[in-house]
Order: sequence, then structure tokens, then C-alpha cells
Amino acid sequence: GENVEQHPSTLSVQEGDSAVIKCTYSDSASNYFPWYKQELGKRPQLIIDIRSNVGEKKDQRIAVTLNKTAKHFSLHITETQPEDSAVYFCAASIPVREYGNKLVFGAGTILRVKS
Amino acid sequence: GAVVSQHPSRVICKSGTSVKIECRSLDFQATTMFWYRQFPKQSLMLMATSNEGSKATYEQGVEKDKFLINHASLTLSTLTVTSAHPEDSSFYICSARTSGGLEETQYFGPGTRLLVL
Repeated sequence: GENVEQHPSTLSVQEGDSAVIKCTYSDSASNYFPWYKQELGKRPQLIIDIRSNVGEKKDQRIAVTLNKTAKHFSLHITETQPEDSAVYFCAASIPVREYGNKLVFGAGTILRVKS
Repeated sequence: GAVVSQHPSRVICKSGTSVKIECRSLDFQATTMFWYRQFPKQSLMLMATSNEGSKATYEQGVEKDKFLINHASLTLSTLTVTSAHPEDSSFYICSARTSGGLEETQYFGPGTRLLVL
């Protein structure tokens, strides 16, 4: 099936604390998992992605982990800052015969970093 | 690199009229472009996938005769909302993929806010 579950729907943290957002997917053929950050009224911006041949990827304060057996992946933001406040979406690739693959998005997580 | 533009950024139209939205990849060739719709406080819902030189692939429940897609070149895809109604009011966002096959990364345009009166 084509389903990506994302939790929590909202997350409030104190500046400097860590934030973790979790997603699960249903299609075992999914092999690409991007995370996007979207500020109000703006376009989604790719912040990090991971492919199924690795279990973890890190880029400065952002890291993503992937457990293919359990079909879940997580976004970790350390040392959060007020400018990290936004809506975060996870996504999983779904193979499509006609054009390769498409992305199915989670419902989103509103992250608020309080200063 | 990987810049995607969209035009117009916002449009207000009367019910029953048609609206055309353009999506352009500015610094790369995009064999595949995607059209999403996003209602307030909701996620991105894929409407259709546009492939250069071939027919668009529509998601289940999306009327192909209402949402016309044309992908005439490797840098331009258009979405036409025909006979727009107030329930079509939404944020329409396109994305473009740098190449087909194993490359999956999608880069998004800035979106078009459509308001149908």
C-alpha cells in the first residue's frame, strides 16, 4: 500500500534541546526517504535524505536513521534554534512503472522551538 | 543549482473560469515534473505526474479533464485548472526531478495560491 504515518503532529521544544520526528511506511519496495522543511506559505525545502543501503546519515545538527526491517525512519535535530521552527514532512518513494517512482508524504509535524 | 520557478505566485479568479499555472526548471532538464495540491495545515497530495513528451499520469480520484497537464519541453510543465470552482482554491506546488531512473530527489517550486470566488 501507499501509506506514510508521521508522529507527532506537533512538537514543542526549548531552544537547545533535541527534537525527534518519526515516520513509518508500508511499501517494502520504498528505497528513498527524504525530509522536507516548509515554512508558512513557502516551498518545501529538502533538508536531508537517506537511501535504503545505509542506516544513518548526518549533516551538522540534523541526522536521519532508517530501519528497513521495521519500516520506520526518524529525523533528529540537535541543539534546536528558533529558526528551526517550521513544518517538517517525511516522505517515502513508491515505485511506479510509468516513470520510475513517486513520493508519498507524511501528514507533517509542526515544530516550535521556544527561546 | 536545481532551481524551480512557478508562475503566477497567486491568482484570484471567478468561478467557471480556467487558470493556467507554469512550472519551470531553470538550471536543469526535468524529464519528470510533479503537481501537488496542499490545503491549509495539510500535507502535500500528489495530483499527477508529468512526463516530457507523453501523457500525464493522474492519481486516483483526480479528474484528468479538469486538471489538464502539458509537459511540452524538458524545462516546462503547465497545469490548467478548467472551470474552476471555490473548492479548487488551494496551494498548488510543482516539483521537478533532475533525471529519471535512480535519481529520486525532487525540488519544489514556490507554489501558486489559487483563490476561486
